[in-house]
Amino acid sequence: SQQGEEDPQALSIQEGENATMNCSYKTSINNLQWYRQNSGRGLVHLILIRSNEREKHSGRLRVTLDTSKKSSSLLITASRAADTASYFCATPNSGGSNYKLTFGKGTLLTVNP
Amino acid sequence: KAGVTQTPRYLIKTRGQQVTLSCSPISGHRSVSWYQQTPGQGLQFLFEYFSETQRNKGNFPGRFSGRQFSNSRSEMNVSTLELGDSALYLCASSLDVRTDNEQFFGPGTRLTVL
Repeated sequence: SQQGEEDPQALSIQEGENATMNCSYKTSINNLQWYRQNSGRGLVHLILIRSNEREKHSGRLRVTLDTSKKSSSLLITASRAADTASYFCATPNSGGSNYKLTFGKGTLLTVNP
Repeated sequence: KAGVTQTPRYLIKTRGQQVTLSCSPISGHRSVSWYQQTPGQGLQFLFEYFSETQRNKGNFPGRFSGRQFSNSRSEMNVSTLELGDSALYLCASSLDVRTDNEQFFGPGTRLTVL
């Protein structure tokens, strides 16, 4: 089953507007990561927030994490057409030395010029 | 540093055939993971290798296998291809297996099974 579930599935906004995407997860985590994927290409790591952090900024990106609600949000401010992409949250499942990322289904963001 | 490279970028096969995909991680990275991405199932973890050992495996049939070489390069193999194996296959590398290490993804191999 999916660990992370993004909401909304699709979002269409005008350039200059802010875009907010939400992610919910089910089990306890050490960190939560956000990735971007341009159409049919590889994933690009955007930001990682640790479980003891509540908010993190990187350029025009702001991520929040609420471990009590098992949710995170990604805010992109002053969006640009180049931000058009799919955005995924991912949580690592680890046990000892094992490691894998579990991804949500993603939010497709379209920024109209 | 060069990024993660995957070859080939595109592949067309027919049902019943087998295929081998290759991934070269970033220099110095010892962990390589593979993911399958389809419109229906999204991104799903296949397996992860570290120092030539498979450390974790996702919920895929035995037709999916992989290996890692001493130089950390990795290959995955799919035998007896089915139509449902059509997908974007992504590999990712990281420095080690700590969960806060960033994963660097390659551009993927687009596999089409006819």
